[in-house]
Amino acid sequence: AQSVTQPDIHITVSEGASLELRCNYSYGATPYLFWYVQSPGQGLQLLLKYFSGDTLVQGIKGFEAEFKRSQSSFNLRKPSVHWSDAAEYFCAVERASKIIFGSGTRLSIRP
Amino acid sequence: EAGVAQSPRYKIIEKRQSVAFWCNPISGHATLYWYQQILGQGPKLLIQFQNNGVVDDSQLPKDRFSAERLKGVDSTLKIQPAKLEDSAVYLCASSLEGPGTEQFFGPGTRLTVL
Repeated sequence: AQSVTQPDIHITVSEGASLELRCNYSYGATPYLFWYVQSPGQGLQLLLKYFSGDTLVQGIKGFEAEFKRSQSSFNLRKPSVHWSDAAEYFCAVERASKIIFGSGTRLSIRP
Repeated sequence: EAGVAQSPRYKIIEKRQSVAFWCNPISGHATLYWYQQILGQGPKLLIQFQNNGVVDDSQLPKDRFSAERLKGVDSTLKIQPAKLEDSAVYLCASSLEGPGTEQFFGPGTRLTVL
């Protein structure tokens, strides 16, 4: 069955520290891959997406993600987090116009 | 450019009552989605419209949920009768046609069923 796994439910990092959020997917072929962010009381906002080509994609707010076909992973990274990055992050995959979201990772920032 | 509008933002009802949510997508977006997001989970697609036709409603509990998109613009999602497990945030999103296009989400409607 097709699935998206975000193994970390909650992560806390110090402001200024680096961040990596994990995402693994299970599909027969490479799907379209997305990372969305959801701030409290807000709708989801697209951070970045991967369709094909360069496996390192840049997004908004200083985020980047790397697609690794051999590991079926699409991890999100940021070199230095800011307090405003505290939010819920969702990995999503699309295949044949069907979109499936992971269960999310809640990011907290330690001052 | 105006975003996706949803109303109401919050709704509290008792079980077995009915409720309706409204969504106005971004102008020109042919595709409209309704998602259910239960606390602690990712959004789950309930129904997807392409213009005013249904593309996918495989996860819509059709015995109690219904949705329509008249004239291919606004959409309404209805629950009748509501159950306790329907407590969730209902998100509406819209996008241009085609695979991999970005979905733009509204702020959602938080439903509490008592």
